[in-house]
Amino acid sequence: EVQLLESGGGLVQPGGSLRLSCVVSGFTLRKYAMSWVRQAPGKGLEWVSAISGSDETTFYSDSVKGRFTISRDISEDTLTLQMNSLTSADTAVYYCVKASTQTNMILEYWGQGTLITVSS
Amino acid sequence: EVVLTQSPATLSLSPGEKATLSCRASESVDRYLAWFQQKPGQAPRLLISDASNRATGIPDRFSGSGFGTDFTLAISSLEPEDFAVYYCQQRKIWPPLTFGGGTKVELK
Repeated sequence: EVQLLESGGGLVQPGGSLRLSCVVSGFTLRKYAMSWVRQAPGKGLEWVSAISGSDETTFYSDSVKGRFTISRDISEDTLTLQMNSLTSADTAVYYCVKASTQTNMILEYWGQGTLITVSS
Repeated sequence: EVVLTQSPATLSLSPGEKATLSCRASESVDRYLAWFQQKPGQAPRLLISDASNRATGIPDRFSGSGFGTDFTLAISSLEPEDFAVYYCQQRKIWPPLTFGGGTKVELK
């Protein structure tokens, strides 16, 4: 059974940093692309970042490029999102999402999400 | 980036009625469009991939159609558990992956 468990959310001050983790089970990160998708309170879905399964190529939305870093640790079954220089616009629930293959972006399985609140 | 426009924003229907949701892309995305359902306090759930392929475990009252720039999600006969927000998403031209603004299907 595929499971995705995010952690690391919380309250952070503007300009601060936070590191999100997503521990996966039921599959290996080496074989599937992964994404982070966020949802601001009461708003729609926004794609943030992705990493391919095969060669770890990374992708970012313009709104987070240069501030966020996606990575994975296959031995620990963990996907990570390092978030720096946070602003109030980054306040959202962040979802860890598994794609259906190494490179396509069919967002097949979603974690329950972790809430990030950026506020002073 | 590809902009996805969903209509209507809200659909007010009764159980047993048919729901028809639209998603229009600003440029062709071929068949690379997916639909998701999201209920309050829950993560989105994949319903349809590549315009018309139902995901595992999705009832056949959900169907998707379309190609290029115009897509439709149909729910043939609404069940109480189908009242939710629905999003479309394209993966043809990325990054960025983009989502539509959502259609809320509410109880009339």
